[in-house]
Amino acid sequence: QLQLQESGPGLVKPSETLSLTCTVSGGSISSNTHYWGWIRQSPGKGLEWIGTIYYNGYTYHNPSLKSRLTISVDTSRNQFSLQLSSMTAADTGIYFCARQTENLRVFPDWMDPWGPGTLVTVSS
Amino acid sequence: IQMTQSPSSLSASVGDRVTITCRASQSISTYLNWYQQKPGKAPQLLIYSASSLQSGVPSRFSGSGSGTDFSLTISGLQPEDFATYYCQQSYSTPPLTFGGGTKVEIK
Repeated sequence: QLQLQESGPGLVKPSETLSLTCTVSGGSISSNTHYWGWIRQSPGKGLEWIGTIYYNGYTYHNPSLKSRLTISVDTSRNQFSLQLSSMTAADTGIYFCARQTENLRVFPDWMDPWGPGTLVTVSS
Repeated sequence: IQMTQSPSSLSASVGDRVTITCRASQSISTYLNWYQQKPGKAPQLLIYSASSLQSGVPSRFSGSGSGTDFSLTISGLQPEDFATYYCQQSYSTPPLTFGGGTKVEIK
């Protein structure tokens, strides 16, 4: 059974860079029919897609975050990571990672399963 | 592509039939997925590609629609179904976008 687990600091200072890692267990990240995505949720708000990576390193970024966002993959560790620079209070929220299945348009599609999420607070 | 869900919240009783709608700002064919989220938990996939039931999801959940208009129906609401439901489009990448959510509460 595939499982994902986010890890990283729960508290980040304004202007600093957030680094999160998602560890995949029970399956290989080097799947040719799956992608690996990051999603976040602000307190009491809805879901926002951050970005997605394929095992070969190809990435899709949310244009609203693209200038601050780096997503990478480490197939040897079965992990993928997110770095978000210049953090502000608006970036506070729960960060989830998830597996995405490729659709007929050869794009990352539905998200399943998800990690439990990790709360990130931006505060000095 | 903007995704608009309605209603934003609803009250219903156990056993009720509940329908949630999701409208896309442009045609997305059937590239539409539905998720359920309970408080303090990650979302869980219910329906993918507009009408395909994810493995392990009860058959009382069903999805329909294509183009710009979609719906999620719960036939016979159960106590464990009280949650927030989100639609998500995957036709236009990037960005993937979610609807604003529909909170289903106990009447």
